[in-house]
Amino acid sequence: GAVVSQHPSRVICKSGTSVKIECRSLDFQATTMFWYRQFPKQSLMLMATSNEGSKATYEQGVEKDKFLINHASLTLSTLTVTSAHPEDSSFYICSPVHGSTDTQYFGPGTRLTVL
Amino acid sequence: ILNVEQSPQSLHVQEGDSTNFTCSFPSSNFYALHWYRWETAKSPEALFVMTLNGDEKKKGRISATLNTKEGYSYLYIKGSQPEDSATYLCAFVANAGGTSYGKLTFGQGTILTVHP
Repeated sequence: GAVVSQHPSRVICKSGTSVKIECRSLDFQATTMFWYRQFPKQSLMLMATSNEGSKATYEQGVEKDKFLINHASLTLSTLTVTSAHPEDSSFYICSPVHGSTDTQYFGPGTRLTVL
Repeated sequence: ILNVEQSPQSLHVQEGDSTNFTCSFPSSNFYALHWYRWETAKSPEALFVMTLNGDEKKKGRISATLNTKEGYSYLYIKGSQPEDSATYLCAFVANAGGTSYGKLTFGQGTILTVHP
């Protein structure tokens, strides 16, 4: 089956710092990548959609200047949380779409804690 | 805002019990309903993609039914085993462009614990 990795799996940082989360599709090419987040006791919520080589499209309420998404290749997408604050503490999960089968897969997620 | 609800929030059963849980979703503008199984520290694993009213799908001891007219889906697990312990998520896809992936609206999940 398709393998998706996310790194790091867990990160703790100080308020004001930036954190980069990497998502890799290890055995397939992903033309489309979704990023979700999940706050405690809430559902996974879509943050943004990106297509390789294009600018990401952000959902309402998600600041594009705060959550920078780079989808420069078909196997790697990054989400950078800039100037993180405690309210950004959440579980972030990527979801690449297999370019050939249109099947959507998920990474194992990244737990971000901002102190 | 699309409303996708799952119940119960959590469930404890004994090994060998059969169990079921519910996902309710908007009955209008339906395109697809996904079920996922999500174990801690792992990626959500797709169980079923359901698209037709009346659909019934089965994978081993797990099965699911779909009623798009009334906006609900049931997931059944027959003879639960400890390894079935996980969070079960449903996700609704509205009809918008004909792709079966994309804007998944998730429920909060049902946490199943199967005790030996």
